[in-house]
Amino acid sequence: DADVTQTPRNRITKTGKRIMLECSQTKGHDRMYWYRQDPGLGLQLIYYSFDVKDINKGEISDGYSVSRQAQAKFSLSLESAIPNQTALYFCATSGTGGTGELFFGEGSRLTVL
Amino acid sequence: AQSVTQLDSQVPVFEEAPVELRCNYSSSVSVYLFWYVQYPNQGLQLLLKYLSGSTLVKGINGFEAEFNKSQTSFHLRKPSVHISDTAEYFCAVSDRGALTFGSGTRLQVQP
Repeated sequence: DADVTQTPRNRITKTGKRIMLECSQTKGHDRMYWYRQDPGLGLQLIYYSFDVKDINKGEISDGYSVSRQAQAKFSLSLESAIPNQTALYFCATSGTGGTGELFFGEGSRLTVL
Repeated sequence: AQSVTQLDSQVPVFEEAPVELRCNYSSSVSVYLFWYVQYPNQGLQLLLKYLSGSTLVKGINGFEAEFNKSQTSFHLRKPSVHISDTAEYFCAVSDRGALTFGSGTRLQVQP
């Protein structure tokens, strides 16, 4: 089984719908992240959490919210999806050693029509 | 604030030829540097990392990178590429917080 699991792997939805992407990890890491990947733009940080009580905005947090339900679970929500949120979303984890090395899930492809 | 620039969006190369993927970074503090690889329809996996010590870092699949502090660069090299190296490569920098990624370089290895 994967150390970082994302669900769903693929989702097609309509404009205005609420969507939740879920991430769970078995690595025992405190730090979790959500990134968005668009062609030609690389990965952009949406939100990150260094422990259960810590949530931080990344560079593109507008239109998104997160919830850290437990050390192992970090979910990303789109309250009212819009077409330009069509992208590949990655969850990642890192340990508290502070190097920043990330361990990624396999991604969730979201299409907003 | 930190940033990463990958100067080439695409690099076509013939099989068994050498390749260099360029990465420059900017940061006001000491950094950790990483290269990740993304094969088609897959997530990202770590290729190599520089944390401290020797400036020449060796990674998986025969790749290596050299940290050059004066030029703020961390270029990725491989002396002889294979078809299976076709993928997108991302350079990333960390100042002990979240990673900042470059825009990626697509390596296309042709027979």
